Amino acid sequence: DGGITQSPKYLFRKEGQNVTLSCEQNLNHDAMYWYRQDPGQGLRLIYYSQIVNDFQKGDIAEGYSVSREKKESFPLTVTSAQKNPTAFYLCASRTGTVSGNTIYFGEGSWLTVV
Amino acid sequence: GNSVTQMEGPVTLSEEAFLTINCTYTATGYPSLFWYVQYPGEGLQLLLKATKADDKGSNKGFEATYRKETTSFHLEKGSVQVSDSAVYFCALSEAQTGANNLFFGTGTRLTVIP
Repeated sequence: DGGITQSPKYLFRKEGQNVTLSCEQNLNHDAMYWYRQDPGQGLRLIYYSQIVNDFQKGDIAEGYSVSREKKESFPLTVTSAQKNPTAFYLCASRTGTVSGNTIYFGEGSWLTVV
Repeated sequence: GNSVTQMEGPVTLSEEAFLTINCTYTATGYPSLFWYVQYPGEGLQLLLKATKADDKGSNKGFEATYRKETTSFHLEKGSVQVSDSAVYFCALSEAQTGANNLFFGTGTRLTVIP
């Protein structure tokens, strides 16, 4: 089945550690996104990428980094510089950035600082 | 600028009640409009969409009509079920092409009680 796979589903991070969240899609989509969702809140854009080897900062990029070496993969690293990383992280993708193109989401990853 | 404003939640209804969740938007040009649903602990799923004025999106008994004159895209369902309990997000994709042309509302939590 085609879709977006995020892993791990649950991740615990110690203070001062970097952790990487995986996002893989087999939909042949060009654009990929990372959003952060805090409990009871809406979505905030962290990073996005329109094509391979190119990505742009979103609204809350500080303390995060990404790479886009392959079309199907867009991993997110939460660095130790991110002071409040506990949240639900959502990866998404869509065919292109034309207005009517639907954005599809993965199942999400829960990150907790311990 | 572009934005989406959703009805504040939470909304609690009895089973078989009529549902309306209001969504209004501001945008330049002619955006596409979407409703997404998020079940507990999961990613967002597309519920329905409309890409031009007067279009009606529908799915699983839910409907929303793209009203340009009132800049609205209200979500309705004639008879809700317990299984409809979730968070609903209204979203806009502006007409100008670009990866960062997506805007989400803050979400409305719906709880349906038997």
